[in-house]
Amino acid sequence: EVQLVQSGAEVKKPGESLRISCTGSGYTFTSNWINWVRQMPGKGLEWMGRIDPSDSYTAYSPSFKGQVTISADKSTSTAYLQWSSLKASDTAMYYCARDDRSSLYGMGVWGQGTTVTVSS
Amino acid sequence: DIQMTQSPSSLSASMGDRVTITCRASQTIRNYLNWYQHKPGKAPKLLIYGASNLQSGVPSRFSGGGSGTDFTLTISSLQAEDFATYYCQQSYMTPWAFGQGTKLEIK
Repeated sequence: EVQLVQSGAEVKKPGESLRISCTGSGYTFTSNWINWVRQMPGKGLEWMGRIDPSDSYTAYSPSFKGQVTISADKSTSTAYLQWSSLKASDTAMYYCARDDRSSLYGMGVWGQGTTVTVSS
Repeated sequence: DIQMTQSPSSLSASMGDRVTITCRASQTIRNYLNWYQHKPGKAPKLLIYGASNLQSGVPSRFSGGGSGTDFTLTISSLQAEDFATYYCQQSYMTPWAFGQGTKLEIK
């Protein structure tokens, strides 16, 4: 079964760093890009960026460029989303999702989501 | 960057109704348009890719149409499990973008 499994919920303080993960299984991890999507409380979905795990090439939304870092480790089939200094406004649910060239890059496989809460 | 605009933002309908949600791109995206269903506490689910292709396992009451800048998602006969929020998303050019969402509620 193709699946993406994300790391667990996080509670952090402003200014702290954080890295959340998304581990793929059931397929060749380097064959598909991994995307990160944010949903702030009560708001819609926002595309943050994506990474090609085969060479770690990334593309970011301008809204998130410089605010987060997307990376991947193909040896462990894991993609990461990282913050160096969290803000309260980073409180949200974060999803990873695999896109597929054969479905015109529709995101057909999603992780279960990771809740990040940033509060003093 | 390409902007995606959905309408309506919310919609009340009854079981068995036919509903249509529209999505407009700020420039042509050919047929690189995807539709997702999102329920509270769950991950989004891909319904339609490439504007009109039904994702495997999705009921045939869902259909998509359009190309260029104007697209539609139609649910032919609403079932209880269809009440959710629906998003369009363009995958033509990065940065990809979602529409703001359409919340489908029970009348």
